[in-house]
Amino acid sequence: NAGVTQTPKFQVLKTGQSMTLQCAQDMNHEYMSWYRQDPGMGLRLIHYSVGAGITDQGEVPNGYNVSRSTTEDFPLRLLSAAPSQTSVYFCASSYRSRSGAPEGTQYFGPGTRLTVL
Amino acid sequence: AQSVTQPDIHITVSEGASLELRCNYSYGATPYLFWYVQSPGQGLQLLLKYFSGDTLVQGIKGFEAEFKRSQSSFNLRKPSVHWSDAAEYFCAVGLNAGNNRKLIWGLGTSLAVNP
Repeated sequence: NAGVTQTPKFQVLKTGQSMTLQCAQDMNHEYMSWYRQDPGMGLRLIHYSVGAGITDQGEVPNGYNVSRSTTEDFPLRLLSAAPSQTSVYFCASSYRSRSGAPEGTQYFGPGTRLTVL
Repeated sequence: AQSVTQPDIHITVSEGASLELRCNYSYGATPYLFWYVQSPGQGLQLLLKYFSGDTLVQGIKGFEAEFKRSQSSFNLRKPSVHWSDAAEYFCAVGLNAGNNRKLIWGLGTSLAVNP
């Protein structure tokens, strides 16, 4: 299994540009999440999905869109990049426990380091 | 409000010394507790977790953690640190939130290991 993969690893954008960060997992996990990691602020949840076709907002959703058309893929779109979106972005996935709730253990991708000039 | 506190932003230990990283949480019910490690330039990897049962849990790489309900703590320990343990360590609390399990993250503790 490749686990959780993210592309690209690095990206530089100009203010106002748009782009999509790709995330894929091959573990058949139902739950997927996007986080951003900033110095001194830890991990903050941007958006998450509990299954194909279902997404919801996290703590810091503004400026980002997501969709989940398949179980495997969960892309994150920056509509109009701003310098405040300079960060490291992590995608994570987790599976459903027997009780039906997410088990809680998250599997992380290697991250995308984004710089917005 | 629920929160996770890692009081130590940065810790330096000598190789071979013991290690304890502190984690305190604020939550009304029994939480699900996690420790993750992030090596430089890498994603986060689960070290160990506590859901129920024995309050002393063993994880990978020789780490263990103890859940103390009375102190709302879940401290991470290792008896003898190796240079490869230098990394960022994150404590997280899992809360049931409807159909999802929300994770509340601490801000992390950066561990440096002196040779």
